[in-house]
Amino acid sequence: AQRVTQPEKLLSVFKGAPVELKCNYSYSGSPELFWYVQYSRQRLQLLLRHISRESIKGFTADLNKGETSFHLKKPFAQEEDSAMYYCALRGSNYQLIWGAGTKLIIKP
Amino acid sequence: DAGVIQSPRHEVTEMGQEVTLRCKPISGHDYLFWYRQTMMRGLELLIYFNNNVPIDDSGMPEDRFSAKMPNASFSTLKIQPSEPRDSAVYFCASSPDRWGRGLLDEQFFGPGTRLTVL
Repeated sequence: AQRVTQPEKLLSVFKGAPVELKCNYSYSGSPELFWYVQYSRQRLQLLLRHISRESIKGFTADLNKGETSFHLKKPFAQEEDSAMYYCALRGSNYQLIWGAGTKLIIKP
Repeated sequence: DAGVIQSPRHEVTEMGQEVTLRCKPISGHDYLFWYRQTMMRGLELLIYFNNNVPIDDSGMPEDRFSAKMPNASFSTLKIQPSEPRDSAVYFCASSPDRWGRGLLDEQFFGPGTRLTVL
């Protein structure tokens, strides 16, 4: 089965603390994974994709095939990081399979 | 470009009424997607089009839902008759087909339509 699991519906951390948003996937082939973000009153938009190995707004995500994970990390959280984060997997039919999302709240 | 445009932004209707949601994709994008977002089920793909042709509608929940794309700049999602369990945020997204990558490109989302069926 092809599935994306984000175990935390809500994650609350203090400003300046490290952040890790968890994402686990189930996929038999070579996965292609993404993180999308939705800031308050803004559209859902692509944050980063694993294939690019990029850091966007201080966030990174490493694909761990052994643990079937693609956790999103940032060493020092900022208030503007508060948003809804979705992990997505490119399925075998090339469509995106979405996790349930994690709401990240950064406390001042 | 204003991005993907959806209307209305909010819709409140009574059970049994017909609801029509509208979407204008980004000009030049070949793919158009309709999603439904709920607290219980997260983000679900309902249907997607390629060059105005419906490719996969396996996510459409039942016959009450239908979608059309009469031209490259307009799509509708219709629910008839609507039911309270249809209450959700409906997103439209579009994607280009750069370099023949098809569905592999980034999806650009509209602001969504919040539907409430009483």
